[in-house]
Amino acid sequence: DIQMTQSPSSVSASVGDRVTITCRASQGINTRLAWYQQKPGKAPKLLIFAASNLPSGVPSRFSGSGSGTDFTLTISSLEPEDFATYYCQRSNSFPPEGVTFGPGTRVDFK
Amino acid sequence: QVQLQESGPGLVKPSETLSLTCTVSGYSLRNDYYWVWIRQPPGKGLEWIGSIYHSGSAYYTPSLKSRATMSMDTSKNQLSLTLTSVTAADTAVYYCARVACYYESNGFGPVCNYFDYWGQGALVTVSS
Repeated sequence: DIQMTQSPSSVSASVGDRVTITCRASQGINTRLAWYQQKPGKAPKLLIFAASNLPSGVPSRFSGSGSGTDFTLTISSLEPEDFATYYCQRSNSFPPEGVTFGPGTRVDFK
Repeated sequence: QVQLQESGPGLVKPSETLSLTCTVSGYSLRNDYYWVWIRQPPGKGLEWIGSIYHSGSAYYTPSLKSRATMSMDTSKNQLSLTLTSVTAADTAVYYCARVACYYESNGFGPVCNYFDYWGQGALVTVSS
């Protein structure tokens, strides 16, 4: 099974800061990685798919990069609404290899 | 606009069966898409339970394969999940979501591996 790790597990930041979150896969996954944002009591929201693609409606301060085993999510200038937990997720195309989420990175107020 | 809504009992006794429904609006389940169930224990991360295709074919995470069953009722535009012999470890918020697809830059695809629409989640507590 492919395992996903994220670092850091939490980060304290201020509005306007640049924040970078790293996700690592235990083996190469090409660019088959997505990122989600989750706020307390809410469902996850898609931020990035295929490692670097932003869906319509996601602010351009969010960006993703990487390929193979190492990926990053960058928030170029943190806004108040960005304080949340961020998850990476991999899956080969269905079926049947399944889905793996990273453990999450919490971004909170410094 | 695509909307998903999970529903079901919020409390289930240990050893009994958990049953949830996901009602989809704004999109027909008869169309060519995968759908997934994902859960999140309180204060913890996300766990994929399984995926179901519009044909009814279903795929499960190995740890839940013996207890989980997903199905689809296209006449009601609903997905369902049952989980048998539940324990406290099955206490979680359960989400349904739609799987979205894209084509890779080399032309390979469709690659269907991320989730663009989610329900709001349904908390299920397993307790006597």
